[in-house]
Amino acid sequence: AQTVTQSQPEMSVQEAETVTLSCTYDTSENNYYLFWYKQPPSRQMILVIRQEAYKQQNATENRFSVNFQKAAKSFSLKISDSQLGDTAMYFCAFMKLLSGNTGKLIFGQGTTLQVKP
Amino acid sequence: DAGVTQSPTHLIKTRGQQVTLRCSPKSGHDTVSWYQQALGQGPQFIFQYYEEEERQRGNFPDRFSGHQFPNYSSELNVNALLLGDSALYLCASSPGTGETEAFFGQGTRLTVV
Repeated sequence: AQTVTQSQPEMSVQEAETVTLSCTYDTSENNYYLFWYKQPPSRQMILVIRQEAYKQQNATENRFSVNFQKAAKSFSLKISDSQLGDTAMYFCAFMKLLSGNTGKLIFGQGTTLQVKP
Repeated sequence: DAGVTQSPTHLIKTRGQQVTLRCSPKSGHDTVSWYQQALGQGPQFIFQYYEEEERQRGNFPDRFSGHQFPNYSSELNVNALLLGDSALYLCASSPGTGETEAFFGQGTRLTVV
């Protein structure tokens, strides 16, 4: 069974600085997908960034980038130029496709990030 | 596009009662998944529906059941409610084949007293 672990329950960062959130996972699969989701107080889960395991190049989305280390089963999220609106709970998640379709997401415990002015 | 919509947003039920939660997927999406998120925890997968059939199920008891309608909307039913069923219930939809991005609704906050 796959597991996802986020070892940082809470983090804080000053506005405009850079912060890195950690995530490790365990799987015997070779083809899978990894995600970072953001959940602000509004409760809606929003996709931040996605990484396909077969791609060696790390995914980037504007101020968000990942460091994907497949052999180490590590998937960290770096947020550059942090903004107050980045304050939220962040979840790392794993997915294996099911018969070519969207599979179930397995989430970590989450990291609460506070951006301070 | 309204995105994924869930109803109701909040609900209070008594132990032993039954509850039905509803989800309308994003336009063009045919796959609906349900998750339970306890306070301060990550979401846990309950089940997934595709083409009106339950395709995958997580480690939840039979008290949790669901349904998907021909228009792809879905219901989550929970019978014999326990205090431990209090949680945020999230619905996620996805477009199906080859797509990995799941779009989430804002959830239904269920409180069992």
